[in-house]
Amino acid sequence: DGGITQSPKYLFRKEGQNVTLSCEQNLNHDAMYWYRQDPGQGLRLIYYSQIVNDFQKGDIAEGYSVSREKKESFPLTVTSAQKNPTAFYLCASRFGGQLFFGSGTQLSVL
Amino acid sequence: GQQVMQIPQYQHVQEGEDFTTYCNSSTTLSNIQWYKQRPGGHPVFLIQLVKSGEVKKQKRLTFQFGEAKKNSSLHITATQTTDVGTYFCAGVDGNQFYFGTGTSLTVIP
Repeated sequence: DGGITQSPKYLFRKEGQNVTLSCEQNLNHDAMYWYRQDPGQGLRLIYYSQIVNDFQKGDIAEGYSVSREKKESFPLTVTSAQKNPTAFYLCASRFGGQLFFGSGTQLSVL
Repeated sequence: GQQVMQIPQYQHVQEGEDFTTYCNSSTTLSNIQWYKQRPGGHPVFLIQLVKSGEVKKQKRLTFQFGEAKKNSSLHITATQTTDVGTYFCAGVDGNQFYFGTGTSLTVIP
């Protein structure tokens, strides 16, 4: 099946810990995005990448980092500098002008 | 940065009633898209509007793009329980998508 796979579905972070959220796509799409979703706040852009080895900060990039070493993969690391990481994280790819979303990862702080 | 406001935040309707959500941008948009997110799910693309004053229909859903390309609306006629979810507009500017805060629709059977 073609699509965007996010893992894990649920993730827990301890204080001072970095965690990495996985996003893999087999759609051969060039552009990929990471969004954070909080209740009542819609989707806010963290980072996006148009091509391999290139990415740009979104509106709320502080405390996050990404890499794009392969077209298929766009992992997001939530660093210990992100003081309020509890949220639903959505990865997406873009093709034909529209976004295709993964099923998301719910990150919670222990 | 660019802001896209969406109202209302929540809407409860009886099954069979109509529903409308409104989206307003602080700047002119090249195009606007609408997405639906079912409870516990992820956003799914519904439609894109590009032209000033454009109106598109998908069965019971009617989408409009304002003349100034700064506002849009989604209207659902005779809601059904399958319409439950959160509807987001997204203003598109180049490579970036600016999402509204969403309208959560509850349909009471």
